[in-house]
Amino acid sequence: AQKITQTQPGMFVQEKEAVTLDCTYDTSDPSYGLFWYKQPSSGEMIFLIYQGSYDQQNATEGRYSLNFQKARKSANLVISASQLGDSAMYFCAMRAPGDDMRFGAGTRLTVKP
Amino acid sequence: DTGVSQDPRHKITKRGQNVTFRCDPISEHNRLYWYRQTLGQGPEFLTYFQNEAQLEKSRLLSDRFSAERPKGSFSTLEIQRTEQGDSAMYLCASERSSYNEQFFGPGTRLTVL
Repeated sequence: AQKITQTQPGMFVQEKEAVTLDCTYDTSDPSYGLFWYKQPSSGEMIFLIYQGSYDQQNATEGRYSLNFQKARKSANLVISASQLGDSAMYFCAMRAPGDDMRFGAGTRLTVKP
Repeated sequence: DTGVSQDPRHKITKRGQNVTFRCDPISEHNRLYWYRQTLGQGPEFLTYFQNEAQLEKSRLLSDRFSAERPKGSFSTLEIQRTEQGDSAMYLCASERSSYNEQFFGPGTRLTVL
């Protein structure tokens, strides 16, 4: 069975600093996708970044990058140059063929001015 | 606005009443998903449609829950004889086949008194 683990319930970062949000996963499928979503207090889930299990390079989208370490089954999200608007819940998710999307419990990020 | 929309955004009901939520996906997306999110947790998969066909249902979806997607467009999620444990955020997401990104709506927050 697929499983996603986010071990950091809450994280603090100073504005303009970088922060890493941890995510580990467990699956026996060789093909899978990894996702990060941001959920502000308004409730809407906002897609940030995607990494396929066969992708050779780490995914990047603007200030977001995914540190994909396949052997360690980790897919950490790195946010560079944090902004106050980055304060939100962040969810890691995984999806394998024929399976539904599984989400971690989330990490609440607070950016301090 | 061409995103996923959900109605209502908030619903307060008394235990034992029936409630119905609506989701309008992005028009060219043929897949539609329902999730439930309780406080402090990530979204949990409930059910999934490809066009008008309901292809998968989670064991979380008891017989009090029913979902439809007539004509493969909007979808409704009905909860009969609501219980306090049904209080949660109900999220809808849509996706185009063979793409990896699910776009989420703003959710419907249900409170059962």
